[in-house]
Amino acid sequence: DAKTTQPPSMDCAEGRAANLPCNHSTISGNEYVYWYRQIHSQGPQYIIHGLKNNETNEMASLIITEDRKSSTLILPHATLRDTAVYYCIVRVADGNSGYALNFGKGTSLLVTP
Amino acid sequence: DGGITQSPKYLFRKEGQNVTLSCEQNLNHDAMYWYRQDPGQGLRLIYYSQIVNDFQKGDIAEGYSVSREKKESFPLTVTSAQKNPTAFYLCASTGLTYNEQFFGPGTRLTVL
Repeated sequence: DAKTTQPPSMDCAEGRAANLPCNHSTISGNEYVYWYRQIHSQGPQYIIHGLKNNETNEMASLIITEDRKSSTLILPHATLRDTAVYYCIVRVADGNSGYALNFGKGTSLLVTP
Repeated sequence: DGGITQSPKYLFRKEGQNVTLSCEQNLNHDAMYWYRQDPGQGLRLIYYSQIVNDFQKGDIAEGYSVSREKKESFPLTVTSAQKNPTAFYLCASTGLTYNEQFFGPGTRLTVL
């Protein structure tokens, strides 16, 4: 699976949009971009995933650049409960390693009042 | 409610003892996974199973063992051969689309 690079930490004011970047310059054509988050001492939670089109759900939006070498997760109106570590993961869809996820260190997002 | 349960939440053991961590899911998922997380680090894959009575080693399987006798259950045994077992252990499962992994609340194991 391709390697991802994320900033170690970011701050965001409550009510503002949080834009979390991820670089995946070696991504292959059959690799998806996944985002998960982990609130302290809990299990990770799925947020969103995409291949090449932008995606939106009730939690967030995922913007993938045209060359697919980077992406941005957008939390449109961050709340204090969005404080967590956010993981950007690139994974093939062909069943290698049983579709297990390769978590890096992620970005620690702090939402402040 | 459907979900994944892990028990216990906190576990203390003496060095040299084997310990088994429980993971149960009622989501009817075929695939289940065990991950290990150390402080300030991401998750690392220990074992995974895509079907009953079959499982595969992940990146850090040494010192661990698993079984998958039932679809709902995927227990992990931390053996005395695991040199540094103190960690946060997370179990996950996924359905046929393999798109979203559901995680349990985790078990924090401390070996004294």
